[in-house]
Amino acid sequence: GAGVSQSPRYKVTKRGQDVTLRCDPISSHATLYWYQQALGQGPEFLTYFNYEAQPDKSGLPSDRFSAERPEGSISTLTIQRTEQRDSAMYRCASSLGQRETQYFGPGTRLLVL
Amino acid sequence: KNQVEQSPQSLIILEGKNCTLQCNYTVSPFSNLRWYKQDTGRGPVSLTIMTFSENTKSNGRYTATLDADTKQSSLHITASQLSDSASYICVVSASSSASKIIFGSGTRLSIRP
Repeated sequence: GAGVSQSPRYKVTKRGQDVTLRCDPISSHATLYWYQQALGQGPEFLTYFNYEAQPDKSGLPSDRFSAERPEGSISTLTIQRTEQRDSAMYRCASSLGQRETQYFGPGTRLLVL
Repeated sequence: KNQVEQSPQSLIILEGKNCTLQCNYTVSPFSNLRWYKQDTGRGPVSLTIMTFSENTKSNGRYTATLDADTKQSSLHITASQLSDSASYICVVSASSSASKIIFGSGTRLSIRP
């Protein structure tokens, strides 16, 4: 597509529920990143993919967080048993390669009540 | 510990004036440094990216410098415009590992008419 898209744009959920966020990267981009951004803070790296491979997921804050990119294009970030501290903006970015410019999506604003 | 520190935290200048934002880092081994502009409520947009061998790069009225010896970078904005009001984030990546992508806390720039 023309840019990185994410859905939903906003998600409100109750504590304990599972949520899945979706990222649709720029079609030619091999590398996809997930970031968590708290209000007023810079993005914090969560994990990344090279095509369908996930070389590093050490930034995921707990085992409740997982990400997939099964066909090397669209990716999902799933948070199980959500907690209030998970409330944040979740941003996806893609790039041609690992050292190329990252293009960010609009983000998904998650609010856990 | 890998760190990226930016200064000042916030800056207010009059339209038409120039300004310089600073970024100091301790990320090692160094791969590249990027400056992003982030408007309120939007995702970061890449301004420049520099590798070890580059010491200056321009993008319109934005000029970034890099001193890899002192581990310092600056972003100079010339003839500021009201649309330059945003957060400017310095991001440093370590070699060979996407997990070592360290975001600075950003400088909040406000341009006054």
